[in-house]
Amino acid sequence: EVQLVDSGGGLVQPGGSLRLSCAASGFTVSTNYMSWVRQAPGTGLEWVSVVYTGGNSYYADSVQGRFTISRDISKNILYLQMNSLRAEDTAVYYCARGVSTSFYWYFDLWGRGTLVTVSS
Amino acid sequence: DIVMTQSPDSLAVSLGERATINCKSSQSVLYSSNNKNFLAWYQQKPGQPPKLLIYWASTRESGVPDRFSGSGSGTDFTLTISSLQAEDVGVYYCQQFYSSPCTFGQGTKLEI
Repeated sequence: EVQLVDSGGGLVQPGGSLRLSCAASGFTVSTNYMSWVRQAPGTGLEWVSVVYTGGNSYYADSVQGRFTISRDISKNILYLQMNSLRAEDTAVYYCARGVSTSFYWYFDLWGRGTLVTVSS
Repeated sequence: DIVMTQSPDSLAVSLGERATINCKSSQSVLYSSNNKNFLAWYQQKPGQPPKLLIYWASTRESGVPDRFSGSGSGTDFTLTISSLQAEDVGVYYCQQFYSSPCTFGQGTKLEI
């Protein structure tokens, strides 16, 4: 079955760190444009980061310099390392598979999400 | 960043009736070289992740019922559900993938 299973969320204090994981099955992470998208409580969707098939990665301005996206090709897992966390990073984080187009991506497969709460 | 604005914020429609959701982008998402609109629609049911319904503004994703249709071009787009079913309740989002960062509308809550 083609699916994404994200995990690793939890409660963390401001300034702390957390690493999210997204295990893929039924397809290969390294041959797809893989993103993280977040949704703060009761609000809409915000794209966070992407890793291209070639390994290049890009970030939203709001997380640039604090978050790092990576992948383990042997395990077929996508990661999001989150450092210097702030209250405004509180959200459900979804990993998502992007369909590449001439420019950017729409998302045809989503994980179920993992909740990150940043609070003292 | 391209700002996506949906209307209305919420909508109540009777079973079997038509539902229409609008999405407006702050700049055109039409690429003239291939005449494609870089716009997608998603459905999110409570407690679930978003589900892709429509891409290229009007192409239905595999498995999506044909009561869902997308239209529009340039900066103005519409998602139409021709005959509302109970399982269509949820929040609907548009997304542009023409410019970085890709951005989503604020969502439209659809109720019976």
